[in-house]
Amino acid sequence: QQPVQSPQAVILREGEDAVINCSSSKALYSVHWYRQKHGEAPVFLMILLKGGEQKGHDKISASFNEKKQQSSLYLTASQLSYSGTYFCGTAKTSYDKVIFGPGTSLSVIP
Amino acid sequence: DTGVSQDPRHKITKRGQNVTFRCDPISEHNRLYWYRQTLGQGPEFLTYFQNEAQLEKSRLLSDRFSAERPKGSFSTLEIQRTEQGDSAMYLCASSLETATHGNQPQHFGDGTRLSIL
Repeated sequence: QQPVQSPQAVILREGEDAVINCSSSKALYSVHWYRQKHGEAPVFLMILLKGGEQKGHDKISASFNEKKQQSSLYLTASQLSYSGTYFCGTAKTSYDKVIFGPGTSLSVIP
Repeated sequence: DTGVSQDPRHKITKRGQNVTFRCDPISEHNRLYWYRQTLGQGPEFLTYFQNEAQLEKSRLLSDRFSAERPKGSFSTLEIQRTEQGDSAMYLCASSLETATHGNQPQHFGDGTRLSIL
């Protein structure tokens, strides 16, 4: 079953923060985050595994609440290069396929 | 690491024709995925392979779609009797899964854009 993402779209000014949410009605083993720029392939950002960990990568971090089957992606002090569509993908087990959500379009303006 | 390559990049065909796409994954990657993506949507799962074994095919996929990975390296996706609704970007991705580390990052190819006239 496809995860739900919110918001559908967000517009930020450079330097502002954003949070993108991903939720599932099924128990999850892992949540995957990817970014896709227009006309390009999706690019991997991070994977969060069951265990409620939080990960960070430069000014982009994410958390995973396995009890609520929710993950959030945090973008702080946004840069123009953060613009794109962010997809979360979920898997029920360690070897299951990944099902992607519909995406959140993020636009960062000067 | 030359990345995931897909061929062709673009395919235009008439309704009713058969088309075949090829994906060459990163050489040491044992898992290969096929997705379909339409404008404004996320990648939609079609099927995936672990080495040469096809693990699952989407129940949404009609019998007109078939995929193979004969030697556990490259893969082909064939669509028979194409329909207007098949127009989309077809993405291939690969990853290296191990017994102790599943759910590894997927590396995507640039996709094949299919247009049905």
